[in-house]
Amino acid sequence: SSAVTQDPAVSVALGQTVRITCQGDSLKNYYANWYQQHPGQAPILVIYGKNNRPSGIPDRFSGSTSGNTASLTITGAQAEDEADYYCFSRDTSGHHWVFGGGTKLTVV
Amino acid sequence: QLQLQESGPRLVKPSETLSLTCTVSGGSISSSSYYWGWIRQPPGKGLEWIGSKYHNGITYYNPSLKSRLAMSVDTSKNQFSLRLNSVTASDTAMYYCASLGSSAWYKDSWGRGTLVTVSS
Repeated sequence: SSAVTQDPAVSVALGQTVRITCQGDSLKNYYANWYQQHPGQAPILVIYGKNNRPSGIPDRFSGSTSGNTASLTITGAQAEDEADYYCFSRDTSGHHWVFGGGTKLTVV
Repeated sequence: QLQLQESGPRLVKPSETLSLTCTVSGGSISSSSYYWGWIRQPPGKGLEWIGSKYHNGITYYNPSLKSRLAMSVDTSKNQFSLRLNSVTASDTAMYYCASLGSSAWYKDSWGRGTLVTVSS
C-alpha cells in the first residue's frame, strides 16, 4: 500500500510524554513531516525532515523514524498541544504525497 | 521565508470549474528547492494532497482527481494555479497552496487557505 496510517485518537496526561505514530512502507525511504491543527485554524508545520523544528516551535516537539514508522514525540505535553496531528510524506513511488488520517490528541 | 497567498472565487456552481491562484513572495517560483502544491480539507475531514508541480514542468496529481485536474505555473508573475473541472458538492473544501520541500532539508510553507463552496 502507498498510504500512511495513524491512530485516530491518543490521550496524554498534562506534563507527560506522548508519541504519535505514522506507519507506511514509504517511510522507509522518505521522512514524514508533521502538522498540528487546532479547530478552525490552518495546519502548522511542527517537524520536517529527519527532526527539524521550524522557528517558533517549542523544543518539546521532536521527530524520529524507525523502519516503516515515523513518530512525533511531545515531551511534557501542555494544554495548548491538544489538537489534530497529521503526518505527511511521499508514497512508495515518490511521485505522490500522502497524508495520514490524523490523530486527535487529548491532554487530560 | 516564503509566503503564499491563495486567491480566486469562493463560490462555484456544480459542474463548473474551480480556479485558484497562489502568489508566492519571498522566493522564486523557479527555485529547485520546492514543489508547488495544492492541498484541501473538506469541512470536518482530514487533509488531502491534490497535486504538485516542479520548476522543470514535472507535475504529479492525486490519482483520484487526475482526470479533472490541471496545474500551471506563471514564472513572470511568480504564481501557480489550480483548475478543477466538473466540480460537485464534495469538492467543497478549504484549499491551501503550499511550497513542498524537494528534499528533507527544505521546510514546507503553506498559505492561509481559502474556503471554496460548490453550490448552485
